[in-house]
Amino acid sequence: DAGVIQSPRHEVTEMGQEVTLRCKPISGHDYLFWYRQTMMRGLELLIYFNNNVPIDDSGMPEDRFSAKMPNASFSTLKIQPSEPRDSAVYFCATGIAGGRYEQYFGPGTRLTVT
Amino acid sequence: KNQVEQSPQSLIILEGKNCTLQCNYTVSPFSNLRWYKQDTGRGPVSLTIMTFSENTKSNGRYTATLDADTKQSSLHITASQLSDSASYICVVRANNAGNMLTFGGGTRLMVKP
Repeated sequence: DAGVIQSPRHEVTEMGQEVTLRCKPISGHDYLFWYRQTMMRGLELLIYFNNNVPIDDSGMPEDRFSAKMPNASFSTLKIQPSEPRDSAVYFCATGIAGGRYEQYFGPGTRLTVT
Repeated sequence: KNQVEQSPQSLIILEGKNCTLQCNYTVSPFSNLRWYKQDTGRGPVSLTIMTFSENTKSNGRYTATLDADTKQSSLHITASQLSDSASYICVVRANNAGNMLTFGGGTRLMVKP
């Protein structure tokens, strides 16, 4: 298995532009998480899905952020309009229910908003 | 409020030396604790996961300990190598949290030749 796949790996955009980050989970995993990591705040959970349904989006900073999971193989995190304070590394992680609830992280997307 | 605190924030050691990283948590009710290693520019990778009944767990040169009474964990690295340079993140899952985790701020370790 290729693991969690994220694209793009790096994104540089200007303030006000729309940004879409993509994630392909590990096949068979029914949980998908979007995290944001900054030096100041560490890893923060933004939203997570179970069986393609959003379960908890309390970590989404504001209405500019939205996430979708149209099917078990794909999820997007969209920021519209983007702001410089959105600059961070965004990770997608996936896992399965039960056991020790292990989560497997993707390589992340480094977003820079100028 | 569930919290995970790690110390030190950063650490520099010489190659071949041992080191110990600390983690204190207030997550309740406790389910399990895991240590992740995050190399620069990569996502975190799980090193160990320990449940309430596990006091010690090893993964190669990495040994994690857990004291559920004092709510403390440590990660000991033996005979450090340059490739151990990374951030180490302590993460705790509460029993009522489903698949949600509480993350520590991490310890940034640098191993110098």
